[in-house]
Amino acid sequence: GAVVSQHPSWVICKSGTSVKIECRSLDFQATTMFWYRQFPKQSLMLMATSNEGSKATYEQGVEKDKFLINHASLTLSTLTVTSAHPEDSSFYICSVRAGTEAFFGQGTRLTVV
Amino acid sequence: GNSVTQMEGPVTLSEEAFLTINCTYTATGYPSLFWYVQYPGEGLQLLLKATKADDKGSNKGFEATYRKETTSFHLEKGSVQVSDSAVYFCALRSSSGSARQLTFGSGTQLTVLP
Repeated sequence: GAVVSQHPSWVICKSGTSVKIECRSLDFQATTMFWYRQFPKQSLMLMATSNEGSKATYEQGVEKDKFLINHASLTLSTLTVTSAHPEDSSFYICSVRAGTEAFFGQGTRLTVV
Repeated sequence: GNSVTQMEGPVTLSEEAFLTINCTYTATGYPSLFWYVQYPGEGLQLLLKATKADDKGSNKGFEATYRKETTSFHLEKGSVQVSDSAVYFCALRSSSGSARQLTFGSGTQLTVLP
């Protein structure tokens, strides 16, 4: 199966700053990666589908200018939370699909103060 | 649209107790059903899956049966261990072409005490 590594595991930032989260597929070339967000005691919600070499596809209600996704290579996708606010505090998880199975990173806990 | 409803936690059990975590779903067509487990500090890992009605997925002593008549996929284990402490997510993947992403339940935190 694919090994997916996310970095950082947790980050604290000040309001108004931007934060970049990296998702790496270590042993699988992923043309598509998925970004999820999880609020406490709620489901993982798909935010966007990251496509290598092209624009990401965002789910309804997700601000593309706030959550910038770049998928510049087959092994790396990044999610940048721009001008972060406390309501952006959440758990962000990336995923790679290899065949019919999905593989997940360990997640990034973002806290905006 | 698709949705997954799973038993709210947290669930706390003693070692060797019987575990059931309920999961029901709403979906069009014939979805595939999954249970994922997330151990502390790690990513979600596939625990088991079932792709059609009456299939039983099993792994590490855990089982779940795809019940189309009750739209359920309850997770069971006969004797839990401390090492089973984790968050468990029920999920489905729609069979329709454009909606082949995973829809998750809210997760159930399981703590097993020695």
